[in-house]
Amino acid sequence: AQSVTQLGSHVSVSEGALVLLRCNYSSSVPPYLFWYVQYPNQGLQLLLKYTSAATLVKGINGFEAEFKKSETSFHLTKPSAHMSDAAEYFCAVSVRNEKLTFGTGTRLTIIP
Amino acid sequence: DAGVIQSPRHEVTEMGQEVTLRCKPISGHNSLFWYRQTMMRGLELLIYFNNNVPIDDSGMPEDRFSAKMPNASFSTLKIQPSEPRDSAVYFCASSFSIETQYFGPGTRLLVL
Repeated sequence: AQSVTQLGSHVSVSEGALVLLRCNYSSSVPPYLFWYVQYPNQGLQLLLKYTSAATLVKGINGFEAEFKKSETSFHLTKPSAHMSDAAEYFCAVSVRNEKLTFGTGTRLTIIP
Repeated sequence: DAGVIQSPRHEVTEMGQEVTLRCKPISGHNSLFWYRQTMMRGLELLIYFNNNVPIDDSGMPEDRFSAKMPNASFSTLKIQPSEPRDSAVYFCASSFSIETQYFGPGTRLLVL
């Protein structure tokens, strides 16, 4: 069965600093990988996805993630944090059967 | 498109009462998912349908929970009888491909 592990349930960065949210996956077959963002009192919104094409994936709001098979990782980055990036971020994996398995989430706080 | 529509957005009920949550997926999508989100357990997949047929209900907590999808544009999640531990945010999501699920805004349920 597939799974994802998000390292760090809470991450704080200063406005303008690099954002790095970590995600490692486990899958016996080539996975599809996703990052979703959840703003307070809202549903989840897709940030970006990896579906076996380019390993560096660009998403909305300046975020990107790199699929590294050797490290079984799919970390999310953004060069410069903005106050509006404060939210909860979820990594998820699918092995093409439609069922997403989500990580436990990382709450990102931006320090002014 | 209006996106995934859920109703009600908030529900407060007393223990023992029946609760019905409703979802209208995005037109043209053929898969529908029900999730539950709590602080303690995170985001859990309860059940998902493909072409109106339940495919995996292994996440449904117990017999008090039931879900139906009578047609491609409507689904319900019913809890009968409700208990305080059912208090959570319930999300509905829909997708066409196996790649991207689109989430509704959620129903915040409080069982007193």
